[in-house]
Amino acid sequence: EVHLEQSGAEVKKPGESLKISCKGSGYSFTSHWIGWVRQMPGKGLEWMGIIYPGGSDTRYSPAFQGQVTISVDTSISTAYVQWSSLKASDTAKYYCARHSPDCSSGICFPYFDYWGQGTLVTVSS
Amino acid sequence: EIVMTQSPATLSVSPGERATLSCRASQTISSNLAWYQQKPGQPPRLLIYGASTRATGIPARFSGSGSATEFALTISSLQSEDLAVYYCQQYNSWPYTFGQGTKLEIK
Repeated sequence: EVHLEQSGAEVKKPGESLKISCKGSGYSFTSHWIGWVRQMPGKGLEWMGIIYPGGSDTRYSPAFQGQVTISVDTSISTAYVQWSSLKASDTAKYYCARHSPDCSSGICFPYFDYWGQGTLVTVSS
Repeated sequence: EIVMTQSPATLSVSPGERATLSCRASQTISSNLAWYQQKPGQPPRLLIYGASTRATGIPARFSGSGSATEFALTISSLQSEDLAVYYCQQYNSWPYTFGQGTKLEIK
C-alpha cells in the first residue's frame, strides 16, 4: 500500500532554519515525482516544487524559487523541503504528494494521487 | 503560468440534488486536469484525473467533463459527506496550478 508519512508539526522563530520530511513506502520511490504543496491558514493550495528522486530533476514554482530547497535521500526513500531563514509568512500546512502518469494522450503527464497527512509549520516570535 | 479560475466560490445544494462546479484555464491544457476534494483538517483527495477519469475508490456520483479550457465536476446526487472544498488543478505545464476552490455547502 502506498503511503507518505510526513514529519511532525514545528514551531519556529523568524530567522530560524527548518527541514521537514516526507517518507514514501509501498512503491518504488525513485520512479515517481514527489511534489510539495503549501496551504496557508484558511487559504487554497499552491504548488511549491517537484522533484524526481530517480534523477533529482527539480523544478520550483516562481513564487518559491530561491525561498526553499527541495531534496531527496533515496537511501531512506525520503523527500525534504527546507528553509534557511523562516518568515512569519511561512506559517502554513505543507503537503507532499506522489505522482502517477496520465498517458491517455500518448504523452505522459503527471497527476498526483497519493498525499501525505501534512506538516503544520508555525513561525512566530 | 496558467491561471485556473473556479466558479462559483460557494455553492449551496440540497441533499439528493445535482451540483455542478466549473473550472476555466487561461490557456488550453488539453485534458490534463485533476479535481480534488478537501475536507477540513484533511489532505486533498484525488477525485478525477485526465478531466474525466475517476480515481480509484471514488463513487460513481462524481463525474468530470470538458477539455481545452472549460471543465466541470458534477456530483449527481449530493450526499451530506460531500461537504468540502473542491479544487481543480492543471498538470499540462509547469508550474502546475490550482484554482482557488469552490466551497460546497449542504442546504
